This record gives sequence, C-alpha cells and structure tokens, in this order.
Amino acid sequence: DTGVSQDPRHKITKRGQNVTFRCDPISEHNRLYWYRQTLGQGPEFLTYFQNEAQLEKSRLLSDRFSAERPKGSFSTLEIQRTEQGDSAMYLCASSFIPTAEETQYFGPGTRLLVL
Amino acid sequence: AQSVAQPEDQVNVAEGNPLTVKCTYSVSGNPYLFWYVQYPNRGLQFLLKYITGDNLVKGSYGFEAEFNKSQTSFHLKKPSALVSDSALYFCAVRDPDTGRRALTFGSGTRLQVQP
Repeated sequence: DTGVSQDPRHKITKRGQNVTFRCDPISEHNRLYWYRQTLGQGPEFLTYFQNEAQLEKSRLLSDRFSAERPKGSFSTLEIQRTEQGDSAMYLCASSFIPTAEETQYFGPGTRLLVL
Repeated sequence: AQSVAQPEDQVNVAEGNPLTVKCTYSVSGNPYLFWYVQYPNRGLQFLLKYITGDNLVKGSYGFEAEFNKSQTSFHLKKPSALVSDSALYFCAVRDPDTGRRALTFGSGTRLQVQP
C-alpha cells in the first residue's frame, strides 16, 4: 500500500496524559498536513510542513500541541496534558509540489478518545 | 476568509436515480474546489477537483461536478446512484491568491442510497 499511513488508528487515554501520533506520507510527497475532525464536522486545518519546515499553524493549535517532521519524511503530532475536548479524529494528508493545484491525499486517521 | 457551505445534512436517493450533493463557497479570488468522500472509520478519499478550464469536472467512480462562478457553487453529481455510494461527502475550497495551503471544508453531507 503506497498511501498515507497513520499510527495508531485508535487511542484511548485519560485526561492529563500525553499522546503522540505518527503519520507516514506518500513517498516523495514533500508537503504534509494535519487536520482535526470532530463528530459531525468537516476536517479543520491544524498545521502543515514543506519538507521539514513547519510553514503554517492554525489558531486551533494551542501550546499543548506540537508537530514535527524532523527529516522531511514522517511527522509526529503530540498533545500534552490532554483534555476531553481533544477527543477527535486526527487526519494526516500529504501532497506533492511544485504544482500549485496540488491535491491532498488523506490517511485513515487516528481516533482519539480522552476519558 | 474562505468558507464552504453544504446546505443539506443528508440526501436520500433511490438506487439508479441521479444524485446531486450541493456545495457553495466564498473566497475573495478564484477558487480551487475539491470533493472528498469518507466511508465509516476511514480517512477522506479524493474524488475530483476544479482548478481552471472546463466547468464540468469528471472524477472517480462516475462522479462529476459543475463549477458555477456566478452562483459560487460546485455541486457534485452522478447520473445513476449505487448503494455503495452511501457515505459522507465533503466539499473543500482553497484560495490560491492568499498563499495559504490549507483546505477549508464544509460540514459534510451524508448520502444515503436506498436499494
């Protein structure tokens, strides 16, 4: 399978714990995006990387959230001191530039439940 | 700011009948428009996109969409619905003139195709 992969697919944690999610983009895709999707809503943008540089962050990305893409390949999204409001599906997408009309291809998501 | 509206939470259609899922958008410049489909517990699958050119765009699985600039709409259509088309459909927009890469999604429309 050469699509975007995410790990884990499901995560249950207790409030106050830290969690980390991983995303592996499609090979040779140099842009990587994180979105959050809550029940009954469309995905909301969190942040994106071009290679290893984090170029844009949404105001949704509070200081408890941090994302990295250290070698320009896979990315991690960490949530510290989780809150119940963090319960959502976290989606990763990747795309290939230099075409301006890039298409973002999404992974299966990581569903987080904070108890 | 860019935004997308999907005015119908759910669309019901009988198998074999044509289907339309509505989307309207708001951007300051010329939009890039996308349709994605989401099956239960899965990520988003890309269906089609409009960047420029012909207003009728053809995509995967027999879907097509018509861009209408005067009505700021990008409705998704299929001539003959299948039960397997039942899923959650998301319209998304990006305004390339802003330089931002993030997609803005609508809240989704659930398509139910009855046998």
